Amino acid sequence: DTAVSQTPKYLVTQMGNDKSIKCEQNLGHDTMYWYKQDSKKFLKIMFSYNNKELIINETVPNRFSPKSPDKAHLNLHINSLELGDSAVYFCASSQGLDLWNEQFFGPGTRLTVL
Amino acid sequence: AQSVTQLDSQVPVFEEAPVELRCNYSSSVSVYLFWYVQYPNQGLQLLLKYLSGSTLVESINGFEAEFNKSQTSFHLRKPSVHISDTAEYFCAVSESGADGLTFGKGTHLIIQP
Repeated sequence: DTAVSQTPKYLVTQMGNDKSIKCEQNLGHDTMYWYKQDSKKFLKIMFSYNNKELIINETVPNRFSPKSPDKAHLNLHINSLELGDSAVYFCASSQGLDLWNEQFFGPGTRLTVL
Repeated sequence: AQSVTQLDSQVPVFEEAPVELRCNYSSSVSVYLFWYVQYPNQGLQLLLKYLSGSTLVESINGFEAEFNKSQTSFHLRKPSVHISDTAEYFCAVSESGADGLTFGKGTHLIIQP
Protein backbone atom coordinates (compact mmCIF):
# COMPACT_ATOMS: atom_id res chain seq x y z
CA ASP A 1 0.00 0.00 0.00
CA THR A 2 1.33 3.41 -0.96
CA ALA A 3 1.63 5.68 2.08
CA VAL A 4 1.78 9.03 0.25
CA SER A 5 0.64 9.15 -3.35
CA GLN A 6 0.64 11.94 -5.88
CA THR A 7 -1.10 12.33 -9.21
CA PRO A 8 -0.12 12.86 -11.88
CA LYS A 9 3.48 11.68 -11.92
CA TYR A 10 4.25 13.81 -14.97
CA LEU A 11 2.50 16.96 -16.08
CA VAL A 12 3.34 18.86 -19.27
CA THR A 13 1.40 22.01 -19.98
CA GLN A 14 1.51 25.39 -21.69
CA MET A 15 2.31 28.72 -20.09
CA GLY A 16 -0.76 30.49 -18.76
CA ASN A 17 -2.72 27.31 -18.00
CA ASP A 18 -4.14 26.38 -14.61
CA LYS A 19 -3.31 22.94 -13.23
CA SER A 20 -3.67 20.90 -10.06
CA ILE A 21 -1.55 18.21 -8.43
CA LYS A 22 -3.23 15.86 -6.00
CA CYS A 23 -1.76 14.33 -2.89
CA GLU A 24 -3.23 11.68 -0.62
CA GLN A 25 -1.85 9.97 2.46
CA ASN A 26 -3.29 6.86 4.11
CA LEU A 27 -1.16 7.06 7.25
CA GLY A 28 -3.67 8.91 9.39
CA HIS A 29 -1.29 11.87 9.71
CA ASP A 30 -2.60 15.32 10.51
CA THR A 31 0.19 17.37 8.94
CA MET A 32 0.92 17.56 5.21
CA TYR A 33 3.48 19.53 3.21
CA TRP A 34 4.35 20.60 -0.31
CA TYR A 35 7.99 20.95 -1.39
CA LYS A 36 9.43 22.20 -4.68
CA GLN A 37 12.65 20.81 -6.16
CA ASP A 38 14.03 23.07 -8.87
CA SER A 39 16.36 22.26 -11.76
CA LYS A 40 19.37 22.67 -9.48
CA LYS A 41 17.89 20.04 -7.16
CA PHE A 42 17.17 22.49 -4.34
CA LEU A 43 14.25 21.25 -2.26
CA LYS A 44 12.30 24.02 -0.57
CA ILE A 45 9.20 23.88 1.52
CA MET A 46 6.20 25.69 0.09
CA PHE A 47 3.32 24.97 2.44
CA SER A 48 2.29 22.84 5.35
CA TYR A 49 -1.17 22.07 6.66
CA ASN A 50 -1.87 20.93 10.21
CA ASN A 51 -5.41 19.90 11.00
CA LYS A 52 -6.58 21.67 7.84
CA GLU A 53 -4.99 24.99 8.76
CA LEU A 54 -2.10 26.58 6.89
CA ILE A 55 0.96 26.67 9.10
CA ILE A 56 3.72 27.78 6.77
CA ASN A 57 3.53 29.87 3.65
CA GLU A 58 7.02 30.60 2.40
CA THR A 59 7.68 33.26 -0.21
CA VAL A 60 5.55 31.49 -2.75
CA PRO A 61 3.57 33.43 -5.38
CA ASN A 62 -0.13 33.58 -4.69
CA ARG A 63 -0.68 31.76 -7.99
CA PHE A 64 -0.01 28.67 -5.87
CA SER A 65 -2.80 27.69 -3.52
CA PRO A 66 -2.99 24.56 -1.37
CA LYS A 67 -6.41 23.06 -0.82
CA SER A 68 -7.18 20.46 1.80
CA PRO A 69 -10.64 18.93 1.45
CA ASP A 70 -9.92 16.61 4.37
CA LYS A 71 -7.05 15.49 6.58
CA ALA A 72 -5.88 12.86 4.09
CA HIS A 73 -5.57 15.18 1.11
CA LEU A 74 -3.56 18.29 0.29
CA ASN A 75 -3.88 19.36 -3.32
CA LEU A 76 -1.79 22.03 -4.99
CA HIS A 77 -3.47 24.39 -7.45
CA ILE A 78 -1.36 26.54 -9.71
CA ASN A 79 -2.84 29.37 -11.76
CA SER A 80 -1.33 31.11 -14.78
CA LEU A 81 1.62 28.75 -15.03
CA GLU A 82 5.02 30.25 -15.84
CA LEU A 83 8.19 28.72 -17.26
CA GLY A 84 9.86 29.06 -13.86
CA ASP A 85 7.27 26.81 -12.30
CA SER A 86 8.86 23.82 -14.02
CA ALA A 87 10.12 21.61 -11.21
CA VAL A 88 9.45 18.44 -9.29
CA TYR A 89 6.84 18.90 -6.57
CA PHE A 90 6.87 16.59 -3.57
CA CYS A 91 4.07 16.07 -1.11
CA ALA A 92 4.87 14.83 2.40
CA SER A 93 3.02 14.04 5.61
CA SER A 94 3.85 13.59 9.28
CA GLN A 95 2.05 12.94 12.54
CA GLY A 96 2.17 16.48 13.88
CA LEU A 97 4.81 19.18 13.65
CA ASP A 98 7.20 17.74 16.22
CA LEU A 99 10.55 16.89 14.66
CA TRP A 100 10.68 13.37 16.01
CA ASN A 101 7.75 12.68 13.71
CA GLU A 102 9.21 11.46 10.45
CA GLN A 103 8.06 13.11 7.26
CA PHE A 104 6.92 10.60 4.63
CA PHE A 105 7.32 11.76 1.05
CA GLY A 106 5.38 10.99 -2.08
CA PRO A 107 7.13 9.99 -5.33
CA GLY A 108 6.98 13.49 -6.77
CA THR A 109 5.25 15.15 -9.73
CA ARG A 110 7.46 16.46 -12.51
CA LEU A 111 5.84 19.60 -13.91
CA THR A 112 7.09 20.93 -17.25
CA VAL A 113 5.78 24.26 -18.48
CA LEU A 114 6.34 24.95 -22.18
CA ALA B 1 18.38 31.77 8.26
CA GLN B 2 19.44 28.17 8.11
CA SER B 3 21.18 26.62 5.10
CA VAL B 4 22.72 23.32 4.12
CA THR B 5 25.74 22.67 1.93
CA GLN B 6 26.48 19.37 0.29
CA LEU B 7 29.72 20.03 -1.55
CA ASP B 8 29.75 16.86 -3.62
CA SER B 9 27.07 16.54 -6.29
CA GLN B 10 28.35 13.07 -7.22
CA VAL B 11 30.41 10.50 -5.36
CA PRO B 12 31.51 7.38 -7.27
CA VAL B 13 32.83 4.50 -5.17
CA PHE B 14 33.57 0.87 -5.76
CA GLU B 15 31.37 -1.78 -4.22
CA GLU B 16 32.46 -2.79 -0.70
CA ALA B 17 34.54 0.37 -0.33
CA PRO B 18 33.84 2.92 2.44
CA VAL B 19 32.09 6.19 1.65
CA GLU B 20 31.55 9.55 3.29
CA LEU B 21 28.97 12.07 2.08
CA ARG B 22 29.62 15.51 3.44
CA CYS B 23 27.06 17.90 4.89
CA ASN B 24 27.64 21.27 6.51
CA TYR B 25 24.99 23.57 7.83
CA SER B 26 24.66 27.11 9.08
CA SER B 27 22.20 28.31 11.64
CA SER B 28 22.01 30.88 14.36
CA VAL B 29 20.33 28.51 16.81
CA SER B 30 20.32 24.84 17.65
CA VAL B 31 19.20 22.66 14.78
CA TYR B 32 17.87 19.23 14.13
CA LEU B 33 19.60 17.24 11.38
CA PHE B 34 18.41 14.62 8.95
CA TRP B 35 19.60 12.47 6.08
CA TYR B 36 17.05 11.42 3.48
CA VAL B 37 17.62 8.94 0.64
CA GLN B 38 15.87 8.93 -2.71
CA TYR B 39 16.13 5.73 -4.72
CA PRO B 40 15.54 5.98 -8.49
CA ASN B 41 11.96 6.90 -9.33
CA GLN B 42 10.88 6.96 -5.70
CA GLY B 43 10.12 9.57 -3.06
CA LEU B 44 12.42 10.57 -0.24
CA GLN B 45 12.81 8.26 2.75
CA LEU B 46 14.26 9.17 6.13
CA LEU B 47 17.61 7.47 6.64
CA LEU B 48 18.54 8.82 10.07
CA LYS B 49 18.16 11.88 12.24
CA TYR B 50 19.79 13.73 15.09
CA LEU B 51 17.57 15.56 17.55
CA SER B 52 19.54 15.35 20.78
CA GLY B 53 21.64 12.97 22.88
CA SER B 54 24.43 10.87 21.37
CA THR B 55 26.10 12.67 18.50
CA LEU B 56 26.52 9.42 16.56
CA VAL B 57 23.34 8.12 14.99
CA GLU B 58 22.89 4.95 12.99
CA SER B 59 20.44 3.61 10.44
CA ILE B 60 19.28 0.04 10.08
CA ASN B 61 21.12 -0.46 6.78
CA GLY B 62 24.63 0.30 8.03
CA PHE B 63 24.85 4.07 7.54
CA GLU B 64 25.88 6.34 10.37
CA ALA B 65 26.24 10.09 10.80
CA GLU B 66 27.99 12.14 13.43
CA PHE B 67 26.83 15.54 14.57
CA ASN B 68 29.80 17.86 15.08
CA LYS B 69 28.65 21.16 16.51
CA SER B 70 32.04 22.88 16.39
CA GLN B 71 32.44 22.08 12.70
CA THR B 72 28.71 22.46 11.96
CA SER B 73 28.79 19.17 10.12
CA PHE B 74 26.67 16.05 9.88
CA HIS B 75 28.61 13.77 7.52
CA LEU B 76 27.13 10.45 6.46
CA ARG B 77 29.34 7.36 6.38
CA LYS B 78 29.16 3.70 5.55
CA PRO B 79 32.11 1.33 5.96
CA SER B 80 31.20 -0.89 3.02
CA VAL B 81 28.72 0.07 0.30
CA HIS B 82 26.55 -2.21 -1.76
CA ILE B 83 25.21 -1.75 -5.26
CA SER B 84 21.74 -1.24 -3.76
CA ASP B 85 22.98 1.93 -2.03
CA THR B 86 22.96 3.73 -5.36
CA ALA B 87 20.68 6.69 -4.75
CA GLU B 88 20.48 10.43 -4.16
CA TYR B 89 21.20 11.45 -0.57
CA PHE B 90 19.86 14.68 0.90
CA CYS B 91 20.98 16.33 4.09
CA ALA B 92 18.37 18.51 5.80
CA VAL B 93 18.10 20.76 8.83
CA SER B 94 15.31 22.34 10.81
CA GLU B 95 15.37 24.80 13.66
CA SER B 96 11.88 23.87 14.74
CA GLY B 97 9.06 21.67 13.60
CA ALA B 98 7.02 24.57 12.29
CA ASP B 99 9.72 25.65 9.82
CA GLY B 100 9.72 22.47 7.80
CA LEU B 101 12.95 21.09 6.44
CA THR B 102 15.73 22.95 4.61
CA PHE B 103 17.50 20.60 2.24
CA GLY B 104 20.94 20.52 0.65
CA LYS B 105 21.31 20.02 -3.10
CA GLY B 106 21.79 16.30 -2.73
CA THR B 107 24.68 13.95 -3.44
CA HIS B 108 24.36 11.21 -6.04
CA LEU B 109 26.09 8.09 -4.74
CA ILE B 110 27.22 5.91 -7.62
CA ILE B 111 28.38 2.41 -6.78
CA GLN B 112 30.73 0.87 -9.31
CA PRO B 113 31.06 -2.92 -9.49
